[in-house]
Amino acid sequence: KQEVTQIPAALSVPEGENLVLNCSFTDSAIYNLQWFRQDPGKGLTSLLLIQSSQREQTSGRLNASLDKSSGRSTLYIAASQPGDSATYLCAPTRAGGGADGLTFGKGTHLIIQP
Amino acid sequence: DTEVTQTPKHLVMGMTNKKSLKCEQHMGHRAMYWYKQKAKKPPELMFVYSYEKLSINESVPSRFSPECPNSSLLNLHLHALQPEDSALYLCASSRSAGEQYFGPGTRLTVT
Repeated sequence: KQEVTQIPAALSVPEGENLVLNCSFTDSAIYNLQWFRQDPGKGLTSLLLIQSSQREQTSGRLNASLDKSSGRSTLYIAASQPGDSATYLCAPTRAGGGADGLTFGKGTHLIIQP
Repeated sequence: DTEVTQTPKHLVMGMTNKKSLKCEQHMGHRAMYWYKQKAKKPPELMFVYSYEKLSINESVPSRFSPECPNSSLLNLHLHALQPEDSALYLCASSRSAGEQYFGPGTRLTVT
């Protein structure tokens, strides 16, 4: 059974800082890994999807890396802004070729202070 | 269009009521999912429909009943719920094992 751990559980920093959020997973037989953000009481917004054959993926100020062999992914946020405040979740998808539910980490609750 | 819609946004129901949650997508995805999310917890998978075939999380009680009328629609029928079933219910869709797109959720309160 896949287990996903996210570190840190919470982070509060002043705006402008560069941040690294960590995600580790126990089963390296994954198809891809997604990073999401969730605002309070809202649904999940997909930020980045990394295929198992990729090493990293970038979108604007966000960069996600994947090291499948060590079971780790990191989300790098450059020049953080108050609007980045949210909970960030990572979720690997099990390899197998078919649709499968996601197993989420408990998330990193991020607060960017103005 | 990467939108998944869910109705209603909010629902309050008594323990003897029967209600349904609705989810819709028009991205041509053939996999759709229901997740349950309690406060300050990550989402937990309840059901998967892939090419209209159902996979169930065996820990989900039978008072939750999914239905997939066609490849664009997914319903969740609720009956005789308990107060501990109060949660945010999230629907998602994907193209097989690809990127999952989530709807805004239905906030359910059972009184």
